[in-house]
Amino acid sequence: DGGITQSPKYLFRKEGQNVTLSCEQNLNHDAMYWYRQDPGQGLRLIYYSQIVNDFQKGDIAEGYSVSREKKESFPLTVTSAQKNPTAFYLCASAGTGGNEQFFGPGTRLTVL
Amino acid sequence: AQSVTQLGSHVSVSEGALVLLRCNYSSSVPPYLFWYVQYPNQGLQLLLKYTSAATLVKGINGFEAEFKKSETSFHLTKPSAHMSDAAEYFCAVSDSGGSNYKLTFGKGTLLTVNP
Repeated sequence: DGGITQSPKYLFRKEGQNVTLSCEQNLNHDAMYWYRQDPGQGLRLIYYSQIVNDFQKGDIAEGYSVSREKKESFPLTVTSAQKNPTAFYLCASAGTGGNEQFFGPGTRLTVL
Repeated sequence: AQSVTQLGSHVSVSEGALVLLRCNYSSSVPPYLFWYVQYPNQGLQLLLKYTSAATLVKGINGFEAEFKKSETSFHLTKPSAHMSDAAEYFCAVSDSGGSNYKLTFGKGTLLTVNP
């Protein structure tokens, strides 16, 4: 069954700690994306990657880091430098042509 | 730069009434346009997309949207609302060149369906 998985569904973190959100896809898509969603603000792009071992900053990359060592995986690290990390994080992927993005179920991060 | 404006952050309709969610875009090149739906605490699901074929696009769950270049609009409609349509809806645009694979999203419209 093809799709995108994100884990965990809910994540709690203490201030000052780094945390890594997992995103895996088995759709054989080249492109992968991380978005942050806050109430009333829509989706804002954090990072995206069009190919293995390459990625670009999106609109709100400060305080985040990513890696793309495998085609299937695009983990996001929320660092202690991110001032307001509490949010809903969505991962997506896209194949060639059409630009349609497929989304995972999301991870809700809460900083205590 | 591309942008998307969704008019109305919250729309409320009665069950059985027409649903109309508005989306206007700006793009310097012919666009691809998308509508996504999000149920609470879930990811986004594609409803429909316009990729320069027919201007009237039919999607899942009885939704459709019409691309109007002269008005730079891509409004989403459904003739008769159902309780299960209550969700948040996002309009998105990308350029048809697609070389950077990026989408720009609107801020979303929350649809409430009253019994």
